[in-house]
Amino acid sequence: DTAVSQTPKYLVTQMGNDKSIKCEQNLGHDTMYWYKQDSKKFLKIMFSYNNKELIINETVPNRFSPKSPDKAHLNLHINSLELGDSAVYFCASSQAPRDRGNTIYFGEGSWLTVV
Amino acid sequence: TQLLEQSPQFLSIQEGENLTVYCNSSSVFSSLQWYRQEPGEGPVLLVTVVTGGEVKKLKRLTFQFGDARKDSSLHITAAQTGDTGLYLCAGTNFGNEKLTFGTGTRLTIIP
Repeated sequence: DTAVSQTPKYLVTQMGNDKSIKCEQNLGHDTMYWYKQDSKKFLKIMFSYNNKELIINETVPNRFSPKSPDKAHLNLHINSLELGDSAVYFCASSQAPRDRGNTIYFGEGSWLTVV
Repeated sequence: TQLLEQSPQFLSIQEGENLTVYCNSSSVFSSLQWYRQEPGEGPVLLVTVVTGGEVKKLKRLTFQFGDARKDSSLHITAAQTGDTGLYLCAGTNFGNEKLTFGTGTRLTIIP
């Protein structure tokens, strides 16, 4: 049973298209995240939701719009895709609060390639 | 922006050798975690350290949190090929949900 599952795992699309990546967690966690890992393997947070409420929104272009229909799901929609959006996108979840180092569980990643 | 610098960036050693990976910052963190990420997968948590000076052992892996909570180290004894992977440190601040990741160390253990 996959704890954090995201789809699709691989996505190749043309510049200018709009695409979505879906994420679901079955751990009963309150907090979910989207991270971006670039070609140098640097992992950086994009968004965080706690009980469907946005709590972290890093400096991300507004072409990226997260949506949390319920606390078990956090989807990422990307408009007008650009070449620089090519990366691996990781969904993750944890039980709040995070500041004392609670475990964060990552999905397997979605490899997005924009051509 | 808080930055966690890891060194070395790349490390390739023979099976059976010992190694140490470092994670340094000028910022203080309330807790620090180490993750291992294998190709095609997401990072998996290895350990969390929360007290300055804390040392935790996980079989052949020893993790230490610096006294000032600004740095950490991961020492692997008698490395095995299964230790190959990308090692990431990550820090959290008090009252902040955000986890800041380090620059990563790509470890390759040669049989």
